[in-house]
Amino acid sequence: AQSVTQPDIHITVSEGASLELRCNYSYGATPYLFWYVQSPGQGLQLLLKYFSGDTLVQGIKGFEAEFKRSQSSFNLRKPSVHWSDAAEYFCAVGSNDYKLSFGAGTTVTVRA
Amino acid sequence: DGGITQSPKYLFRKEGQNVTLSCEQNLNHDAMYWYRQDPGQGLRLIYYSQIVNDFQKGDIAEGYSVSREKKESFPLTVTSAQKNPTAFYLCASSIRVDYNSPLHFGNGTRLTVT
Repeated sequence: AQSVTQPDIHITVSEGASLELRCNYSYGATPYLFWYVQSPGQGLQLLLKYFSGDTLVQGIKGFEAEFKRSQSSFNLRKPSVHWSDAAEYFCAVGSNDYKLSFGAGTTVTVRA
Repeated sequence: DGGITQSPKYLFRKEGQNVTLSCEQNLNHDAMYWYRQDPGQGLRLIYYSQIVNDFQKGDIAEGYSVSREKKESFPLTVTSAQKNPTAFYLCASSIRVDYNSPLHFGNGTRLTVT
C-alpha cells in the first residue's frame, strides 16, 4: 500500500519570501502525485498533479512541484508567498486502483 | 454556480444516535466520495460511489453507511456503531473515478458527538 509523509507540521514564512513544502511518498510503482490546499473550514482544492513526463509541474496560484524519483519526493514550492497562501497543504499519492492516500498536512502561516 | 453543497456546516449529536450528513452536487459528476479528516491526520476515505445505485467501502467504512439513489446526492449516515464519530467530514465528486478527473470538494460538516 502507498503512503505519504509530510515531515513539517507547521511552517511560518514572511510575506514575499519563498516557500518549500516537503513530501515523501512510498509506492512500488509509478506514482500519481497531487498537492491540495485547504483554507480554514473549507474543502480541498487541487493545486497541481504529476502523472508522467516533465518532472517540474506548474500549478495554480503560482505554485510548482518537482518530482524526484531517486528521493521519492514531490516537494511544493512558491517563489514569493502572499498572505492569502496561509492554509493547510496536503500531498497525496494515488495507486493503480484509484485510491488516494493523503499526508497529514503542513500548516503554513504567513507573517507580514 | 456548480459545486458541492454539504449541510449542515456544524452538527451536534448525543452518543448512541445515528446522524445523516447531506451532500449534493450539481456538477453532473458520476463519482462521489466521503472522507473523514482528523487533526494531524490526512484525509481517510470512508465510502465512494462510481455511479448511481453503486458504492464501495473505503479504508474506514466501519460504523458508516451510504446510499446513492440519485446522481446528485450521496448522504452519509454515521451510526452509533462508529466508535469515534467526532470529526470533520468532507464530501467530494469527480467526473469519474480516474486521476484525470480532479476531485471537487464541499466545504465540509463538522460533527461533534458527546
